[in-house]
Amino acid sequence: DAGVIQSPRHEVTEMGQEVTLRCKPISGHDYLFWYRQTMMRGLELLIYFNNNVPIDDSGMPEDRFSAKMPNASFSTLKIQPSEPRDSAVYFCASSSHGRDRPMGRGYTFGSGTRLTVV
Amino acid sequence: QQQVKQSPQSLIVQKGGISIINCAYENTAFDYFPWYQQFPGKGPALLIAIRPDVSEKKEGRFTISFNKSAKQFSLHIMDSQPGDSATYFCAASPYSGAGSYQLTFGKGTKLSVIP
Repeated sequence: DAGVIQSPRHEVTEMGQEVTLRCKPISGHDYLFWYRQTMMRGLELLIYFNNNVPIDDSGMPEDRFSAKMPNASFSTLKIQPSEPRDSAVYFCASSSHGRDRPMGRGYTFGSGTRLTVV
Repeated sequence: QQQVKQSPQSLIVQKGGISIINCAYENTAFDYFPWYQQFPGKGPALLIAIRPDVSEKKEGRFTISFNKSAKQFSLHIMDSQPGDSATYFCAASPYSGAGSYQLTFGKGTKLSVIP
């Protein structure tokens, strides 16, 4: 498996523009997470899905942020309109949490999208 | 309640030395404690994890020590190597039940191992 695939790797956009980040989770994983990483706040959970259904979006900072998972192999995180304070690295992670989850399994993270809003 | 506090923020260790990173938590529902390693330009990757039924877990040069009564756990890297230079995150979650799929991360420790 190629792991969790995120695109684009880097995105530079102007304030006010719409930004869409994409994620392909590992096949067979039934949980998908979106995290944001900044120096000040570390890794923050934005939203997570189970079997394509959003379970907890309490970490989404504002209505400008939205996330979808139309099928098991694709998810998007959209920011509209973008602001300079949204500049961060956004990570997607996936996981399989079966009934007898092996303790060491954990999350598999993608390589992230570095977003810069100017 | 949900925080995991990690220290130090940065750490410089000589090659061959021991690196120690500490974490503390408040939520007594946490009973799964993984550590993640992140290299520049990459996402965090699971390194080692522990549950509180044991006080220590060792995998190669990496050891987690766990103190349930103090609600603290730490990562020890023995014989530290320059290739260990990375950012390390502790995390915690309940192992099962409500919230078990949501890891709460510490803010990270940037480790530099100098030759």
